[in-house]
Amino acid sequence: DTGVSQDPRHKITKRGQNVTFRCDPISEHNRLYWYRQTLGQGPEFLTYFQNEAQLEKSRLLSDRFSAERPKGSFSTLEIQRTEQGDSAMYLCASSDPGQGPNSPLHFGNGTRLTVT
Amino acid sequence: AQRVTQPEKLLSVFKGAPVELKCNYSYSGSPELFWYVQYSRQRLQLLLRHISRESIKGFTADLNKGETSFHLKKPFAQEEDSAMYYCALNARGKLIFGQGTELSVKP
Repeated sequence: DTGVSQDPRHKITKRGQNVTFRCDPISEHNRLYWYRQTLGQGPEFLTYFQNEAQLEKSRLLSDRFSAERPKGSFSTLEIQRTEQGDSAMYLCASSDPGQGPNSPLHFGNGTRLTVT
Repeated sequence: AQRVTQPEKLLSVFKGAPVELKCNYSYSGSPELFWYVQYSRQRLQLLLRHISRESIKGFTADLNKGETSFHLKKPFAQEEDSAMYYCALNARGKLIFGQGTELSVKP
């Protein structure tokens, strides 16, 4: 499967613990996005990268969230001191802007986080 | 403010009936709009984009700048169209999604 890959698929953690998720985009895609989705809502933008540069971070994202893409390939999203409100599906997507401004986002299957 | 609104959480129709999923947007620039679909147990995927003016799986969507709408239409719904549909707006490099509409097509 050459699509976007996310790991793990599921994560259960206790409140206060740190968690880290990984995303491997489609290899030729230089843009990578993180979204969060809660039940009954659409995906909510968190941050995105062009190669290794983080171009934008949502103002809704607290300082407990950090994302990296050190070599412009895979990305990690870390949540420190998790809270129950962080429980959600975390989606990663990638795109190739070389296909034009309307190049589609290709999504992974997501990581479902449950904070107990 | 940039915003996408999908007023219906659930739309239920019978097979063969016409379908219209509503989407309204708010954006100060020139809008680039998309419809994404998520079938059961599958990942979110692009259905169509307004700039392509294409018909995918019998669905079409027309951008109406006067009404700031991008409604998704299909003349005859099929059971396999049952899914979650999300309207999305390209806001300077990132997509802003609506809340989604669940389409249920009954036999």
